[in-house]
Amino acid sequence: NAGVTQTPKFQVLKTGQSMTLQCAQDMNHEYMSWYRQDPGMGLRLIHYSVGAGITDQGEVPNGYNVSRSTTEDFPLRLLSAAPSQTSVYFCASTPGGQGVDYGYTFGSGTRLTVV
Amino acid sequence: AQSVTQLDSHVSVSEGTPVLLRCNYSSSYSPSLFWYVQHPNKGLQLLLKYTSAATLVKGINGFEAEFKKSETSFHLTKPSAHMSDAAEYFCVVKKGYSSASKIIFGSGTRLSIRP
Repeated sequence: NAGVTQTPKFQVLKTGQSMTLQCAQDMNHEYMSWYRQDPGMGLRLIHYSVGAGITDQGEVPNGYNVSRSTTEDFPLRLLSAAPSQTSVYFCASTPGGQGVDYGYTFGSGTRLTVV
Repeated sequence: AQSVTQLDSHVSVSEGTPVLLRCNYSSSYSPSLFWYVQHPNKGLQLLLKYTSAATLVKGINGFEAEFKKSETSFHLTKPSAHMSDAAEYFCVVKKGYSSASKIIFGSGTRLSIRP
């Protein structure tokens, strides 16, 4: 089925470990983004990309890196995990362009616990 | 700057009664507004969107929302609640006119349905 695929669904890390959360979409969407969801705070934008080779910071980028080498993939890297990064992470995508609003397609999330 | 406020963190209604989830927005120009739903341990699904066409917007599963510029509101309603409506609901405002413009989430409203 077409959509946004996130892996893994669950992950437990020790403080200081690094890891990569994977996100892939097969809809040829130009725009991809990563959010974290914390209780009572909605979703906050970590990083986003408006196309292959282009990334930019969102609201809460510290401690995370991204790259966009292909249109399909947008991995999120945690450089040195901290307990404050315990959260649920969502990847989302939408077609690019002006004037037409398609809304966002979200992945099913990755639940990360840092101990 | 755009922002969005969901006025209730938790709403509880009886099955078969109306649902009202309140959302107020702040925007320096005519915004794009969305409602997303998140069922437990699931990703986010687009319920409906307003993009400066009709002010009354109909979405999936019997939900609708009315854009009221004079009140800067975009409240979500449903005439008759169903048990399957129990979920978290997010009001979202978009920051620009491009379909890839950044989106800002409200803090969410948890809807509970009493049998």
